[in-house]
Amino acid sequence: DAMVIQNPRYQVTQFGKPVTLSCSQTLNHNVMYWYQQKSSQAPKLLFHYYDKDFNNEADTPDNFQSRRPNTSFCFLDIRSPGLGDAAMYLCATSRDGLSDPTDTQYFGPGTRLTVL
Amino acid sequence: AQSVTQLGSHVSVSEGALVLLRCNYSSSVPPYLFWYVQYPNQGLQLLLKYTTGATLVKGINGFEAEFKKSETSFHLTKPSAHMSDAAEYFCALAGGNEKLTFGTGTRLTIIP
Repeated sequence: DAMVIQNPRYQVTQFGKPVTLSCSQTLNHNVMYWYQQKSSQAPKLLFHYYDKDFNNEADTPDNFQSRRPNTSFCFLDIRSPGLGDAAMYLCATSRDGLSDPTDTQYFGPGTRLTVL
Repeated sequence: AQSVTQLGSHVSVSEGALVLLRCNYSSSVPPYLFWYVQYPNQGLQLLLKYTTGATLVKGINGFEAEFKKSETSFHLTKPSAHMSDAAEYFCALAGGNEKLTFGTGTRLTIIP
């Protein structure tokens, strides 16, 4: 059974046209993460939510925003996509921020964003 | 400060040969260490993790890794490579701040 679900799997948008990527989870985890991954690179953390608390990485561009309306869902909004924003976007969850040995970060299948 | 170094961005092995992917870490606190695998156009799948206790950790698909504190290493091994092992492998560290620090990844190619 899918635990971290991302929709759509492939998204095409136009330069400058806002786009929203969706993530949902069935694990009831407190923490949800958004990563950007470019070709042949490691995932780069954009931000994460611990419950309703939003934590932005210092180098995340203002063009990227996020919403978490409830425990299960988290959205990534790209306000004005540029060509450089074409990438795989990965959502992940953890129960309590990897604070104990039984916790793990689980990843969704990703959304590949193309910007035309 | 925490960091993860994966030696070798590309590794090629023959089918049936030993797989060895290297990972070294730096952490100011006792780390939790992870290996993830990523197949093309997919998310990251957990292979195995070390938190505390036994230093030899067994994971899925026949992989294992050994935590060596004295060498600050967490190398991933598999005795006999299979074609289906071809993928990107990431070593990662959790150091108590809710986040994972990733290595740059190693692309594993299996030669028939």
